[in-house]
Amino acid sequence: DVKVTQSSRYLVKRTGEKVFLECVQDMDHENMFWYRQDPGLGLRLIYFSYDVKMKEKGDIPEGYSVSREKKERFSLILESASTNQTSMYLCATQGANQETQYFGPGTRLLVL
Amino acid sequence: AQTVTQSQPEMSVQEAETVTLSCTYDTSESDYYLFWYKQPPSRQMILVIRQEAYKQQNATENRFSVNFQKAAKSFSLKISDSQLGDAAMYFCAYRPGGGADGLTFGKGTHLIIQP
Repeated sequence: DVKVTQSSRYLVKRTGEKVFLECVQDMDHENMFWYRQDPGLGLRLIYFSYDVKMKEKGDIPEGYSVSREKKERFSLILESASTNQTSMYLCATQGANQETQYFGPGTRLLVL
Repeated sequence: AQTVTQSQPEMSVQEAETVTLSCTYDTSESDYYLFWYKQPPSRQMILVIRQEAYKQQNATENRFSVNFQKAAKSFSLKISDSQLGDAAMYFCAYRPGGGADGLTFGKGTHLIIQP
């Protein structure tokens, strides 16, 4: 079974703090993704990566950056957290020759 | 840009009955994939069923089946013999074929199962 883990289930941060959300997968998948999920909006793609040190912007990259130094780990960075970044953040992974994305449990972030 | 529309924010069904969740999408691509994902309350998002656009046959997974109408750009999910464990948010999603693109999701349908 594919295992995707995220560093925290719940996180509370202050406005202006730098926030790191980490995602780790154990299936040697090339592709990794970060989404945010908001009620009534579904999931929206923030960034994705198809290889180590490679990244592509998704639909809503503003205010976020990412890092992928190792194949199994993909980090989402909020350089200066703002209240409008309060959300559920979901990581997903996908093999190069596969169609299905597998999701982590999510991190619910509250920015005060 | 691709869009995915789920027109039913909430659906309710009696246990053991059948329910159909609607999804329409818009794309100019000919090669793509469609998915239904399930997200139970406070639990992980999991894949329910997947459909390749080039396949005419509708996908089926046990009690879950789809009605894929490519010309109409419609992709509905039918759940037969509904069970209490089917209660969840259901998301329809689209991805173009080839490469490492992210999924485009609909806004979701909250499915309630009445005992």
